[in-house]
Amino acid sequence: KQEVTQIPAALSVPEGENLVLNCSFTDSAIYNLQWFRQDPGKGLTSLLLIQSSQREQTSGRLNASLDKSSGRSTLYIAASQPGDSATYLCAVPRPLSSGSARQLTFGSGTQLTVLP
Amino acid sequence: DAGVTQSPTHLIKTRGQQVTLRCSPISGHKSVSWYQQVLGQGPQFIFQYYEKEERGRGNFPDRFSARQFPNYSSELNVNALLLGDSALYLCASSLEPQEGYYEQYFGPGTRLTVT
Repeated sequence: KQEVTQIPAALSVPEGENLVLNCSFTDSAIYNLQWFRQDPGKGLTSLLLIQSSQREQTSGRLNASLDKSSGRSTLYIAASQPGDSATYLCAVPRPLSSGSARQLTFGSGTQLTVLP
Repeated sequence: DAGVTQSPTHLIKTRGQQVTLRCSPISGHKSVSWYQQVLGQGPQFIFQYYEKEERGRGNFPDRFSARQFPNYSSELNVNALLLGDSALYLCASSLEPQEGYYEQYFGPGTRLTVT
């Protein structure tokens, strides 16, 4: 059974700091990994999706890396801003060999606060 | 193009009642999935439907049911509501190619409160 863990559970940083959020998964037979942002009480906004054949994916100030062999992914946020304050979730899909349902397994998220 | 839409936004129900939540996927998306997110946790998979057929079901009791319509919209039904069903219910849609990746796009969610 796939398990996804995110550390730390909460993080508070001053504006302008570069930061790294961590995601680990137990079953390395993943097809891709997706990072999401969630504002309080809101839905999920997809930030980045990394295919299993990729090692990095970049969008603006965000950079996500994937190391399947070690079961880890990191989300790097450069020059953090107060508007980046949100919960960040990573998710991996069920391995294709385990059935046809494309369910995502999520971590519990990292709650980020960027202080002005 | 409109994103995934869900209705209603908020809902308050009493224990024992029944509730129906609705979801419209992104145009062209044929797969719809439902997730439950309890406060402080990541979303938990409930159902996936593709081409009106159930593709998978998570570890939820039979009180939870869903269906998908010919226009690919979907309904999630929960019977005999319990206090523990209070959560944010999220709907996600995706393309469903035979091969290749399938990015999932989430709606704004329906906040269900059971009193």
